[in-house]
Amino acid sequence: AQSVTQLDSQVPVFEEAPVELRCNYSSSVSVYLFWYVQYPNQGLQLLLKYLSGSTLVKGINGFEAEFNKSQTSFHLRKPSVHISDTAEYFCAGVNTGTASKLTFGTGTRLQVTL
Amino acid sequence: KAGVTQTPRYLIKTRGQQVTLSCSPISGHRSVSWYQQTPGQGLQFLFEYFSETQRNKGNFPGRFSGRQFSNSRSEMNVSTLELGDSALYLCASSFEAGAGTEAFFGQGTRLTVV
Repeated sequence: AQSVTQLDSQVPVFEEAPVELRCNYSSSVSVYLFWYVQYPNQGLQLLLKYLSGSTLVKGINGFEAEFNKSQTSFHLRKPSVHISDTAEYFCAGVNTGTASKLTFGTGTRLQVTL
Repeated sequence: KAGVTQTPRYLIKTRGQQVTLSCSPISGHRSVSWYQQTPGQGLQFLFEYFSETQRNKGNFPGRFSGRQFSNSRSEMNVSTLELGDSALYLCASSFEAGAGTEAFFGQGTRLTVV
């Protein structure tokens, strides 16, 4: 069965510092992987996705993620964060060839301060 | 174009009552999925509909049901409400029902059961 683990529930960081949000997945089959962001009282917005091809995926708002099959990881990175990046970030996966059921991690709260 | 619209945004119900939530997908999208978000359980998949047919169902009791209409609009119903049903209910629409298809989320309906 598919499962997604986000290792950090909260990540505090100063503005303009780099950040990495960690995500590991476990699956016996091939997976597609996604990162979503949720701002307070909002739905989820897709940041980026990995389906196949290049393991380095670039998304919106300057975020990128690297798919690492040997380490079953899909960590999200940004070289310089802004106050406006403060939000909840969710890693999600879905088995390829199945319907669109997303399995989400528990989320990481990114808190950016001055 | 308009995004995914969920109505109502906020709802307060009493234990034992039933509730119906509505989701209008992005124009042209035929797949609609529902998720429940709670602080304790995180984001959990409820069900997925495509062309009026339920394609996938999560691990929720039979009190939770849904349907999709010919115009792709979807409703979910929860009968005999319990306190634990208090949650943010998110609807996501996709152009098709493939595993790699991007899901666009609505802002959610915040249900409070008292």
